[in-house]
Amino acid sequence: NAGVTQTPKFQVLKTGQSMTLQCAQDMNHEYMSWYRQDPGMGLRLIHYSVGAGITDQGEVPNGYNVSRSTTEDFPLRLLSAAPSQTSVYFCASSRQQVGRGYTFGSGTRLTVV
Amino acid sequence: AQSVSQHNHHVILSEAASLELGCNYSYGGTVNLFWYVQYPGQHLQLLLKYFSGDPLVKGIKGFEAEFIKSKFSFNLRKPSVQWSDTAEYFCAVIPTGTASKLTFGTGTRLQVTL
Repeated sequence: NAGVTQTPKFQVLKTGQSMTLQCAQDMNHEYMSWYRQDPGMGLRLIHYSVGAGITDQGEVPNGYNVSRSTTEDFPLRLLSAAPSQTSVYFCASSRQQVGRGYTFGSGTRLTVV
Repeated sequence: AQSVSQHNHHVILSEAASLELGCNYSYGGTVNLFWYVQYPGQHLQLLLKYFSGDPLVKGIKGFEAEFIKSKFSFNLRKPSVQWSDTAEYFCAVIPTGTASKLTFGTGTRLQVTL
Protein backbone atom coordinates (compact mmCIF):
# COMPACT_ATOMS: atom_id res chain seq x y z
CA ASN A 1 0.00 0.00 0.00
CA ALA A 2 1.23 3.46 -0.90
CA GLY A 3 2.10 5.67 2.03
CA VAL A 4 4.58 6.40 4.78
CA THR A 5 5.73 3.48 6.88
CA GLN A 6 7.29 3.95 10.29
CA THR A 7 8.92 1.34 12.47
CA PRO A 8 8.83 0.50 15.27
CA LYS A 9 5.40 1.54 16.56
CA PHE A 10 6.48 1.42 20.19
CA GLN A 11 9.88 1.55 21.84
CA VAL A 12 11.23 1.82 25.37
CA LEU A 13 14.81 2.95 25.80
CA LYS A 14 17.05 3.46 28.76
CA THR A 15 18.72 6.81 29.23
CA GLY A 16 21.90 6.94 27.18
CA GLN A 17 20.93 4.27 24.69
CA SER A 18 20.88 5.03 20.99
CA MET A 19 18.41 3.91 18.37
CA THR A 20 17.13 4.62 14.89
CA LEU A 21 13.52 5.27 13.97
CA GLN A 22 12.83 4.11 10.46
CA CYS A 23 10.73 5.92 7.88
CA ALA A 24 10.07 4.86 4.32
CA GLN A 25 7.74 6.18 1.63
CA ASP A 26 6.87 4.68 -1.73
CA MET A 27 5.29 7.70 -3.37
CA ASN A 28 8.51 9.14 -4.81
CA HIS A 29 8.07 12.25 -2.69
CA GLU A 30 10.95 14.69 -2.68
CA TYR A 31 10.30 16.17 0.76
CA MET A 32 10.41 14.26 4.02
CA SER A 33 10.22 15.48 7.59
CA TRP A 34 10.34 14.28 11.16
CA TYR A 35 8.09 15.76 13.83
CA ARG A 36 7.66 15.10 17.50
CA GLN A 37 4.28 15.48 19.16
CA ASP A 38 4.02 16.41 22.81
CA PRO A 39 0.86 17.27 24.78
CA GLY A 40 -0.03 20.93 24.49
CA MET A 41 2.80 21.65 22.07
CA GLY A 42 1.45 20.40 18.79
CA LEU A 43 3.91 18.99 16.29
CA ARG A 44 7.39 20.40 16.19
CA LEU A 45 9.74 19.92 13.29
CA ILE A 46 12.96 18.08 14.13
CA HIS A 47 14.70 17.68 10.76
CA TYR A 48 13.65 17.75 7.17
CA SER A 49 14.97 16.84 3.75
CA VAL A 50 14.22 18.32 0.35
CA GLY A 51 15.80 15.44 -1.54
CA ALA A 52 18.34 12.64 -1.38
CA GLY A 53 21.58 13.86 0.15
CA ILE A 54 20.06 17.10 1.47
CA THR A 55 18.92 17.58 5.06
CA ASP A 56 18.40 20.55 7.33
CA GLN A 57 17.45 21.31 10.90
CA GLY A 58 13.99 22.17 12.06
CA GLU A 59 12.79 23.73 15.28
CA VAL A 60 14.07 21.10 17.76
CA PRO A 61 17.05 19.27 16.23
CA ASN A 62 19.24 18.78 19.31
CA GLY A 63 19.89 15.15 20.16
CA TYR A 64 18.80 13.87 16.76
CA ASN A 65 20.59 13.07 13.52
CA VAL A 66 19.20 12.30 10.09
CA SER A 67 20.49 11.25 6.70
CA ARG A 68 18.83 10.79 3.33
CA SER A 69 20.78 8.43 1.14
CA THR A 70 17.76 7.46 -0.97
CA THR A 71 14.51 9.16 -1.95
CA GLU A 72 12.52 6.50 -0.10
CA ASP A 73 14.17 6.41 3.32
CA PHE A 74 14.67 9.03 6.01
CA PRO A 75 15.81 7.49 9.31
CA LEU A 76 15.96 9.46 12.54
CA ARG A 77 18.76 8.63 14.96
CA LEU A 78 18.72 9.31 18.67
CA LEU A 79 22.35 9.52 19.68
CA SER A 80 22.03 9.25 23.48
CA ALA A 81 18.43 9.02 24.58
CA ALA A 82 17.18 11.31 27.33
CA PRO A 83 13.82 11.33 29.18
CA SER A 84 13.04 14.65 27.47
CA GLN A 85 12.89 12.73 24.20
CA THR A 86 9.90 10.73 25.38
CA SER A 87 7.35 11.61 22.72
CA VAL A 88 5.42 10.42 19.71
CA TYR A 89 7.40 10.77 16.52
CA PHE A 90 5.82 11.23 13.11
CA CYS A 91 7.45 11.03 9.74
CA ALA A 92 5.81 12.83 6.83
CA SER A 93 6.43 13.24 3.12
CA SER A 94 5.29 15.49 0.32
CA ARG A 95 5.88 16.31 -3.28
CA GLN A 96 7.94 19.43 -3.88
CA GLN A 97 4.78 21.23 -4.89
CA VAL A 98 2.71 20.38 -1.84
CA GLY A 99 -0.54 20.02 -3.72
CA ARG A 100 -1.99 17.27 -1.60
CA GLY A 101 -0.40 18.26 1.66
CA TYR A 102 1.92 16.13 3.68
CA THR A 103 1.25 12.42 4.14
CA PHE A 104 1.96 11.20 7.66
CA GLY A 105 3.09 7.87 8.99
CA SER A 106 1.32 6.16 11.86
CA GLY A 107 3.88 7.28 14.42
CA THR A 108 6.38 5.81 16.85
CA ARG A 109 5.68 6.12 20.56
CA LEU A 110 9.02 6.36 22.33
CA THR A 111 9.51 6.21 26.07
CA VAL A 112 12.91 6.92 27.60
CA VAL A 113 13.31 5.74 31.19
CA ALA B 1 9.83 32.26 10.25
CA GLN B 2 6.16 31.44 10.23
CA SER B 3 4.10 30.61 13.31
CA VAL B 4 0.57 29.42 14.02
CA SER B 5 -1.71 30.12 16.97
CA GLN B 6 -4.71 28.06 17.97
CA HIS B 7 -6.38 29.75 20.89
CA ASN B 8 -8.93 27.07 21.72
CA HIS B 9 -7.09 24.27 23.47
CA HIS B 10 -10.07 22.14 24.48
CA VAL B 11 -13.60 22.47 23.14
CA ILE B 12 -16.57 20.45 24.36
CA LEU B 13 -19.73 20.44 22.26
CA SER B 14 -22.95 18.52 22.20
CA GLU B 15 -23.80 16.58 19.09
CA ALA B 16 -25.46 18.76 16.44
CA ALA B 17 -23.88 21.93 17.76
CA SER B 18 -21.97 24.17 15.39
CA LEU B 19 -18.20 24.30 15.49
CA GLU B 20 -15.69 27.02 14.86
CA LEU B 21 -12.01 26.57 15.70
CA GLY B 22 -9.72 29.54 15.47
CA CYS B 23 -6.39 29.62 13.67
CA ASN B 24 -4.15 32.64 13.18
CA TYR B 25 -0.80 32.64 11.51
CA SER B 26 2.15 34.97 11.37
CA TYR B 27 4.22 35.30 8.22
CA GLY B 28 5.30 38.18 6.03
CA GLY B 29 4.56 36.58 2.68
CA THR B 30 1.98 34.40 1.01
CA VAL B 31 1.17 31.07 2.57
CA ASN B 32 -0.61 27.81 2.03
CA LEU B 33 -2.84 26.74 4.88
CA PHE B 34 -4.00 23.36 6.11
CA TRP B 35 -6.21 21.75 8.69
CA TYR B 36 -5.32 18.27 9.85
CA VAL B 37 -7.31 15.97 12.11
CA GLN B 38 -5.96 13.30 14.43
CA TYR B 39 -8.47 10.77 15.71
CA PRO B 40 -7.57 9.04 18.98
CA GLY B 41 -4.59 6.75 18.51
CA GLN B 42 -4.22 7.56 14.83
CA HIS B 43 -1.95 9.62 12.63
CA LEU B 44 -2.73 12.98 11.11
CA GLN B 45 -5.07 13.17 8.15
CA LEU B 46 -5.64 16.13 5.89
CA LEU B 47 -9.07 17.77 6.29
CA LEU B 48 -8.70 20.62 3.86
CA LYS B 49 -6.23 23.06 2.38
CA TYR B 50 -6.08 26.54 0.95
CA PHE B 51 -3.68 27.50 -1.79
CA SER B 52 -5.32 30.32 -3.73
CA GLY B 53 -8.61 31.45 -5.19
CA ASP B 54 -11.90 31.16 -3.31
CA PRO B 55 -11.08 31.86 0.34
CA LEU B 56 -13.85 29.52 1.47
CA VAL B 57 -12.62 25.98 1.10
CA LYS B 58 -14.52 22.80 1.67
CA GLY B 59 -12.96 19.62 2.95
CA ILE B 60 -13.94 16.14 3.90
CA LYS B 61 -16.67 15.16 6.36
CA GLY B 62 -18.55 18.45 6.02
CA PHE B 63 -15.75 20.70 7.27
CA GLU B 64 -14.97 24.05 5.73
CA ALA B 65 -12.55 26.86 6.45
CA GLU B 66 -12.36 30.50 5.50
CA PHE B 67 -9.13 32.32 4.76
CA ILE B 68 -9.29 35.97 5.78
CA LYS B 69 -6.04 37.51 4.61
CA SER B 70 -6.52 40.81 6.45
CA LYS B 71 -6.89 38.95 9.74
CA PHE B 72 -4.24 36.29 9.03
CA SER B 73 -6.86 33.76 9.97
CA PHE B 74 -8.00 30.38 8.70
CA ASN B 75 -10.83 29.26 10.96
CA LEU B 76 -12.34 25.80 10.71
CA ARG B 77 -16.11 25.37 10.78
CA LYS B 78 -18.73 22.68 10.72
CA PRO B 79 -22.46 23.39 10.97
CA SER B 80 -23.37 20.29 12.95
CA VAL B 81 -20.80 18.12 14.71
CA GLN B 82 -21.10 14.41 15.30
CA TRP B 83 -19.76 12.25 18.08
CA SER B 84 -17.32 10.80 15.54
CA ASP B 85 -15.72 14.24 15.13
CA THR B 86 -14.10 13.83 18.53
CA ALA B 87 -10.44 14.32 17.73
CA GLU B 88 -7.57 16.77 17.86
CA TYR B 89 -7.43 19.39 15.14
CA PHE B 90 -4.25 21.07 13.94
CA CYS B 91 -3.87 24.13 11.80
CA ALA B 92 -0.67 24.34 9.75
CA VAL B 93 1.01 26.86 7.47
CA ILE B 94 3.75 26.73 4.89
CA PRO B 95 5.21 29.54 2.78
CA THR B 96 3.93 29.44 -0.76
CA GLY B 97 6.15 27.65 -3.20
CA THR B 98 7.88 25.39 -0.74
CA ALA B 99 7.06 22.18 1.04
CA SER B 100 10.01 22.07 3.34
CA LYS B 101 8.79 23.61 6.59
CA LEU B 102 5.21 22.88 7.49
CA THR B 103 4.55 24.61 10.81
CA PHE B 104 1.78 23.44 13.11
CA GLY B 105 -0.28 25.08 15.78
CA THR B 106 -0.54 23.50 19.21
CA GLY B 107 -3.83 21.84 18.36
CA THR B 108 -7.42 21.94 19.62
CA ARG B 109 -8.91 18.93 21.30
CA LEU B 110 -12.58 18.61 20.38
CA GLN B 111 -14.83 16.47 22.51
CA VAL B 112 -18.34 15.87 21.22
CA THR B 113 -20.84 14.54 23.72
CA LEU B 114 -24.00 12.63 22.93
